Amino acid sequence: KAGVTQTPRYLIKTRGQQVTLSCSPISGHRSVSWYQQTPGQGLQFLFEYFSETQRNKGNFPGRFSGRQFSNSRSEMNVSTLELGDSALYLCASSLLSGGAETQYFGPGTRLLVL
Amino acid sequence: DQQVKQNSPSLSVQEGRISILNCDYTNSMFDYFLWYKKYPAEGPTFLISISSIKDKNEDGRFTVFLNKSAKHLSLHIVPSQPGDSAVYFCAAKGQGTYKYIFGTGTRLKVLA
Repeated sequence: KAGVTQTPRYLIKTRGQQVTLSCSPISGHRSVSWYQQTPGQGLQFLFEYFSETQRNKGNFPGRFSGRQFSNSRSEMNVSTLELGDSALYLCASSLLSGGAETQYFGPGTRLLVL
Repeated sequence: DQQVKQNSPSLSVQEGRISILNCDYTNSMFDYFLWYKKYPAEGPTFLISISSIKDKNEDGRFTVFLNKSAKHLSLHIVPSQPGDSAVYFCAAKGQGTYKYIFGTGTRLKVLA
């Protein structure tokens, strides 16, 4: 079974631009979560989607948004990019949501904002 | 407020010895815990999990211990191998919630 895939793997943008990242979960998984990883901060939770509905949101500004499609694929959008948005963005999928579910991560998209 | 803490940013261990990685949490409502390993330029890889109804879970060289009264979690790797060198994250989740809280990670270096 294929793992979680994320595209693109690397991205360079300039301040003020917007970016869209894509995540395809493991086949059959319905929950997709997004995380931001920066040095020294660990993984910071952005949001989680299940059956096309956002179930939870972390403490990030409204510039960060996402959505999930009927095939469980998810996209994350960041508008008006700032230098501090440079990070590794990770997507994780799990079969269900809310229970003792293990999340499986994709390789991440490394975003550099200049 | 960091609800999941990994107070040791790094750890070095000789090959063949035991590696012990620690994790403390503050929220008594957490009921499911996981450990992940992460290599540079890759996403975290799931290692082992434990539910709050257990105090130990073992999988090969990896054992996770949970001390609920101390709100403390530890991962033991025996014997340690050079390929275990990576950053290890612990994560926790509360019952019925959809959000995993991650620690900041511990970089393990296994010396040959």
